[in-house]
Amino acid sequence: QVQLVESGGGVVQPGRSLRLSCVASGFTFSTFAMHWVRQGPGMGLEWVALIWYDGTNDQYADSVKGRFTISRDNSKNMLYLHMNSLRAEDAGVYYCAREGWVGGDRGWIDPWGQGTLVSVSS
Amino acid sequence: DIQMTQSPSTLSASVGDRVTITCRASQSISSRLAWYQQKPGKAPKLLIYKASSLESGVPSRFSGSGSGTEFTLTISSLQPDDFATYYCLLYNSNWTFGQGTKVEVK
Repeated sequence: QVQLVESGGGVVQPGRSLRLSCVASGFTFSTFAMHWVRQGPGMGLEWVALIWYDGTNDQYADSVKGRFTISRDNSKNMLYLHMNSLRAEDAGVYYCAREGWVGGDRGWIDPWGQGTLVSVSS
Repeated sequence: DIQMTQSPSTLSASVGDRVTITCRASQSISSRLAWYQQKPGKAPKLLIYKASSLESGVPSRFSGSGSGTEFTLTISSLQPDDFATYYCLLYNSNWTFGQGTKVEVK
């Protein structure tokens, strides 16, 4: 079955960098767009970034544009989120998620990993 | 950018109640809306995609309707396992979540 497992979270000081990773299995990784979604403590879900199946295009939320970079390595079934200039408001659980697909329909977000926690504190 | 407004933010209900949650888009998004259920400490679970298509394995008491700018998630008879937070997601070349609706025990 589809599995997405995130890693790389931890405690980081404001202004520093962190790289999150996500390993995918159970599907043909190179044929699906992938997302990062985050959730601050006690907050709702916030879409962060998308990368196309082949890595040729990406999109970002305004809140992270210019600071975060999404990337992928299709040879390793890996998704990454490089986070620079971290702020207190970037803290939360970061989920790796796949583009949803059923028959000819696609575009929603599903399934999701279990999440990795990022804390930003001095 | 298209804005999504989800209401109510909190809903108090009893087992057996019919529950309705609404998401409104600031402009037409066709049927590109999904609904999720999230429980504390867990990843979101997909319930509905393409506004009204029930995800495989999701109980039939969940249903989605609407198109264009107004969408609803209905739970026909609330069960104990349904007390959770629900989110809508716009996926119309941008991805925007609603603010969430917490369904709590009345």
